[in-house]
Amino acid sequence: AQSVTQPDIHITVSEGASLELRCNYSYGATPYLFWYVQSPGQGLQLLLKYFSGDTLVQGIKGFEAEFKRSQSSFNLRKPSVHWSDAAEYFCAVGLYSGGGADGLTFGKGTHLIIQP
Amino acid sequence: NAGVTQTPKFQVLKTGQSMTLQCAQDMNHNSMYWYRQDPGMGLRLIYYSASEGTTDKGEVPNGYNVSRLNKREFSLRLESAAPSQTSVYFCASRPPGKANQPQHFGDGTRLSIL
Repeated sequence: AQSVTQPDIHITVSEGASLELRCNYSYGATPYLFWYVQSPGQGLQLLLKYFSGDTLVQGIKGFEAEFKRSQSSFNLRKPSVHWSDAAEYFCAVGLYSGGGADGLTFGKGTHLIIQP
Repeated sequence: NAGVTQTPKFQVLKTGQSMTLQCAQDMNHNSMYWYRQDPGMGLRLIYYSASEGTTDKGEVPNGYNVSRLNKREFSLRLESAAPSQTSVYFCASRPPGKANQPQHFGDGTRLSIL
């Protein structure tokens, strides 16, 4: 069965510093990978996605992620964080298959705190 | 653009009461989903519907029923609510075509069962 691990429950970063959020997945085929962000009391907003091709993908709000098949990882990065980046971040893998299974498997999330 | 709309936004129920959570999307998406979000658990798939008239179980379907009323609407019903179903419920939809299209989420329904 597929699974997603986000090893860091909480991360604290100073405003202006760089950020890397870790995500590891377990999946039997080429994965469809996503990063979503959730602000308090809000729904989930897509940051970026990976299906195939270039392993470095660019997203919204200055985020990027790198797919590394050998490490089964899809880490999210940002060169310089802003206070507005404080939120919950979720990594997810798509379950889509020819057999009809559908939906996303999510990691448990990483709560990002920005220090002034 | 409304996107995915969920009603109600908040609800408090007593154990044993029933309730239907409503979800509608105006993006002409074929696939729709219900997830629940619990602290420290991420989101878990309850049910999904690949198209009008079809529904399938996800990871945590017990205690829930769903109806895909038409292409736009996908409802989630709790027949006899239990405290373990206290959660935030999210509806999502996905565009037709390739399966790698991302899901679009509503703002959630916060449900408390006493």
